[in-house]
Amino acid sequence: NAGVTQTPKFRILKIGQSMTLQCTQDMNHNYMYWYRQDPGMGLKLIYYSVGAGITDKGEVPNGYNVSRSTTEDFPLRLELAAPSQTSVYFCASSYSQDRGHGYTFGSGTRLTVV
Amino acid sequence: AQKVTQAQTEISVVEKEDVTLDCVYETRDTTYYLFWYKQPPSGELVFLIRRNSFDEQNEISGRYSWNFQKSTSSFNFTITASQVVDSAVYFCALGVTSGTYKYIFGTGTRLKVLA
Repeated sequence: NAGVTQTPKFRILKIGQSMTLQCTQDMNHNYMYWYRQDPGMGLKLIYYSVGAGITDKGEVPNGYNVSRSTTEDFPLRLELAAPSQTSVYFCASSYSQDRGHGYTFGSGTRLTVV
Repeated sequence: AQKVTQAQTEISVVEKEDVTLDCVYETRDTTYYLFWYKQPPSGELVFLIRRNSFDEQNEISGRYSWNFQKSTSSFNFTITASQVVDSAVYFCALGVTSGTYKYIFGTGTRLKVLA
C-alpha cells in the first residue's frame, strides 16, 4: 500500500531552470493538493484538484502550474525557478470533500533554488 | 478570517514530563473540523486526530489527549509522560470550505523531549 508517492525527494535547481515534481496516489482519491512548507511556517496551499481534468488555485499559485490528466497523478510544474521557491513541497490526497477526512501526505520534496 | 494560531514556537521538556501544545483557531463556519498532525525529523506528516465542531468531547488515545473548547476556540493537545520519540513538529489544522475546500495550518510547535 504505497499511499501518496512523491519524487524526487531532494533537488537543487539553478535560477531560471524548470522542473516537475511528481505526485501519484493509489487510493483512488479524487481530491489532491500541493502545499509548500517554508521554515517556521505552516503549510500553504499552492493548487488543488477535485478530480481528473479539474484544477484550481490555492493561496500561493504564482510561479507554478499543475495538471490532472488521471485520478492517480497530480504533477506540479515550476517553469522559471526562483530562490523564493526554495521550500519543502508536500502532495496530499483525500477521499472526499468532506472536511472531516484527513489528508494522506506524501513524504515531501525538498527543493533548493540557487 | 480563517486562521490557526500556535503561539508556542518551540517547547523543551525532560522525558516523562507532561506537555500541552496550544492551538487557537478562528472561523465563521458553523461546521468545521480540527486536526493535529505530527512531523517527525524524517519529515513526513502523520495524521493524529480529527474532531468536528459539534463534538466537544475530549479524546484520549494512549499517552495523547485532546481538549476541544468551542467557547475559547481552542483545540489543545497534551502528551502525558513524554518520550524522546515524541520529539517532532506538531501542526494544528482547520478544515473549512468558504468557497474553496482547504485546510488552514498553524505554523507548528517544535517539541524537544530530552532524555
